[in-house]
This record gives sequence, structure tokens and C-alpha cells, in this order.
Amino acid sequence: EDKVVQSPLSLVVHEGDTVTLNCSYEVTNFRSLLWYKQEKKAPTFLFMLTSSGIEKKSGRLSSILDKKELFSILNITATQTGDSAVYLCAVEAWSNYQLIWGAGTKLIIKP
Amino acid sequence: EPEVTQTPSHQVTQMGQEVILRCVPISNHLYFYWYRQILGQKVEFLVSFYNNEISEKSEIFDDQFSVERPDGSNFTLKIRSTKLEDSAMYFCASRGTVNQPQHFGDGTRLSIL
Repeated sequence: EDKVVQSPLSLVVHEGDTVTLNCSYEVTNFRSLLWYKQEKKAPTFLFMLTSSGIEKKSGRLSSILDKKELFSILNITATQTGDSAVYLCAVEAWSNYQLIWGAGTKLIIKP
Repeated sequence: EPEVTQTPSHQVTQMGQEVILRCVPISNHLYFYWYRQILGQKVEFLVSFYNNEISEKSEIFDDQFSVERPDGSNFTLKIRSTKLEDSAMYFCASRGTVNQPQHFGDGTRLSIL
């Protein structure tokens, strides 16, 4: 059965810290891995990763995929209170284009 | 920036009633999706829709559920004979091509009493 596992499930850090969120997967016919940020409502898109070893960056956020070891990490540097959210990892398969979701990492940034 | 919009934001319905959840995908997007998230649980795929027909559906999406694109802008999810366990947040998503990420609406919180 396809699955996506995120760790840690929750994380509390202080403003200014750097955090690393993990996502491992076992998905047949892997196509892409996506990171979303969910605050109160809609998951908002962060990154879409399809190739191994190529880092994607957006401001203080970056992400990389390892297709050999079947995982991805999401890094956030110089964290701010506005980074507090649930970060969701989802994997898409070639076979059906469905998104298979992890349980999310709840990140809390303390001032 | 274009957004996926969903209405209503919160729907309260008596068990056994029918509900219709509405979504307006991003204009010129071609692929549409419904997901649900039961409180405290993972997001779950329900159905995908392309070219006016269902392309994939999960085990959750049984005969109780149906989707429709009645006009060029709306994409609806109908749930018949609602049950208590249908209570969840329902998200609509759309994308332009399969090479683009899905963009999500704010969701409809469905509460079945």
C-alpha cells in the first residue's frame, strides 16, 4: 500500500531557529512530491519536486528530493512566527495522478 | 492571483439530507479534484475530474457521492443521504496541466447532526 510518512509530527522552536521537516514515501510509480503549508484553511503550494538532488528555494524555504532513499526535506531558516502552520507532504503517482498525503508536521514558532 | 473559491464555508445538515458543495476552480484550469479531511486525520483523495468525466475515484467515493460541472465555471460535489461520518472539511483543487501543482480552495466544513 502506498504511504507517505512525515516527521516529526510536531515541532516547537524559537524565532530565528532553523528547522528541517522530513517526508519519506513508498509510492508505486512515483511522479512528484509536493510540499504545502496549511494554516487555518487551504493548503497553499510551496514546492513541487520531480528530480533528485536539485534544491528548490523560495526565500527562507528550500526543499530537496532523494529518489534513491525515497525522502524529501523541507528547510526553513531564520524562522518567524508567521511560519507557524502545518506543513503537508504529498506524493503523486504516474498511474492515477492522485495525491497521497502525509499526516503533516505541526510547526510552532515561539517569539 | 487567481484562487479556487468554495461555498459555503460551513454547512450544517441533518443526517439523511443531501448536500451540495460548490467550487469555482481557477479559470482555464482543466483538472479538478475533491479531497476531504476528517478532523485530526490526513487529507484523503475523493475524486478527480477531467474533460467532463471522472478520471479517478477512491474507495471513499461510493454511490453516495457524485460530481458535476454543470456550466463552464462551477464544479460541485453532491453527497446524498448524509451520515455522521461524512462530517469533515472538504477541499476542492484545480490545476491547468498535470505538470502543474494543484491549487486548493479554503474548504467547506461540513457538519452532520
